[in-house]
Amino acid sequence: GQNIDQPTEMTATEGAIVQINCTYQTSGFNGLFWYQQHAGEAPTFLSYNVLDGLEEKGRFSSFLSRSKGYSYLLLKELQMKDSASYLCAVKDSNYQLIWGAGTKLIIKP
Amino acid sequence: GAVVSQHPSWVICKSGTSVKIECRSLDFQATTMFWYRQFPKQSLMLMATSNEGSKATYEQGVEKDKFLINHASLTLSTLTVTSAHPEDSSFYICSASRGLAGSNEQFFGPGTRLTVL
Repeated sequence: GQNIDQPTEMTATEGAIVQINCTYQTSGFNGLFWYQQHAGEAPTFLSYNVLDGLEEKGRFSSFLSRSKGYSYLLLKELQMKDSASYLCAVKDSNYQLIWGAGTKLIIKP
Repeated sequence: GAVVSQHPSWVICKSGTSVKIECRSLDFQATTMFWYRQFPKQSLMLMATSNEGSKATYEQGVEKDKFLINHASLTLSTLTVTSAHPEDSSFYICSASRGLAGSNEQFFGPGTRLTVL
């Protein structure tokens, strides 16, 4: 079956750096997405990786290793507004988006 | 660009009534629209995928006669929850995509919170 694993919850301190990992096992691969979702709101797009390596976008970076079925989202200079759930999603060979359960990130002052 | 709207943003209805939720892509043509349901503290659950002009593809376990999806145009899809019951209370989110290509992200609407009394 298809599976995406990410930690359920993480806690970090304001101003610090946090890495949220995601491992996947899917039938085919057509890219990996990271989304941010604040409580009670819809997800918003953060990043897309289809080739191995690191994609940097401001305070957020996303890394992909296709051979390892692994990605991480790196958040730098954490701010209180970064408290949210972070969803990892993979497009499989049918271009269907398979969602992880999300990682709830709690930022403490 | 790539804005998706949903209407209504919240709705309260009596058990047994039907509720229609609209999803519109405001500034692009959405070849594919998706309907999700999300219960508190849980992840998104895909209910169905719809392409303009064709029947929706429902995920396993989702009753197509209860959750009617119509994708009449490239900018509008509707989800009707028929004979709603309290267990249908949830956060319903639509998303739209320009196409199937790997890089085509899904743009999400703001969601509709349904409460069935």
